Amino acid sequence: GDSVTQMEGPVTLSEEAFLTINCTYTATGYPSLFWYVQYPGEGLQLLLKATKADDKGSNKGFEATYRKETTSFHLEKGSVQVSDSAVYFCALNSGGYQKVTFGTGTKLQVIP
Amino acid sequence: DAMVIQNPRYQVTQFGKPVTLSCSQTLNHNVMYWYQQKSSQAPKLLFHYYDKDFNNEADTPDNFQSRRPNTSFCFLDIRSPGLGDAAMYLCATSREGGNSDTQYFGPGTRLTVL
Repeated sequence: GDSVTQMEGPVTLSEEAFLTINCTYTATGYPSLFWYVQYPGEGLQLLLKATKADDKGSNKGFEATYRKETTSFHLEKGSVQVSDSAVYFCALNSGGYQKVTFGTGTKLQVIP
Repeated sequence: DAMVIQNPRYQVTQFGKPVTLSCSQTLNHNVMYWYQQKSSQAPKLLFHYYDKDFNNEADTPDNFQSRRPNTSFCFLDIRSPGLGDAAMYLCATSREGGNSDTQYFGPGTRLTVL
């Protein structure tokens, strides 16, 4: 079946540091890939997505590229801020509404 | 603003006492989902509706039921909550449920079972 593997957290970075959160997947067919973010006390919200190989999703300074050859969708940001502290979930959808698979989440803490 | 609203944000119930969580949406989306999220874990899909069509995940306990009386509202009923049902319950919507559709989440209801 489908699965998503994320790097374990928590990840602690100083403000303005470079961020990478690794995500790899296994899936049948041609999934769409997503990063969702969950701020403390809130629900998940879409950060970015990519729907086909080599697509790059980007939002709020975050980027991720859909790499079919390495089955990866790593999240990157060049300079993190304290306000980026949250839990980040990688997810895929390979076949419609019943097929969304989430990773276990990576908690990011950014310190001033 | 269009959004997904969940009430209450925090719910405390007693072991075995039925509880209902509610979700409403102003996005006019066809698909509504209920997820259970335990601490430090991924959201786990319990069931979803495509319009009025109900779809239950195979491993969702019978203790969990859902109702969708109209497009805007969806309810999660837990008939006899156990201690293991304490979790965050997330409601989400998507427009058509296609594989590139974004899911829009509510803020969640945190359920405590005493």
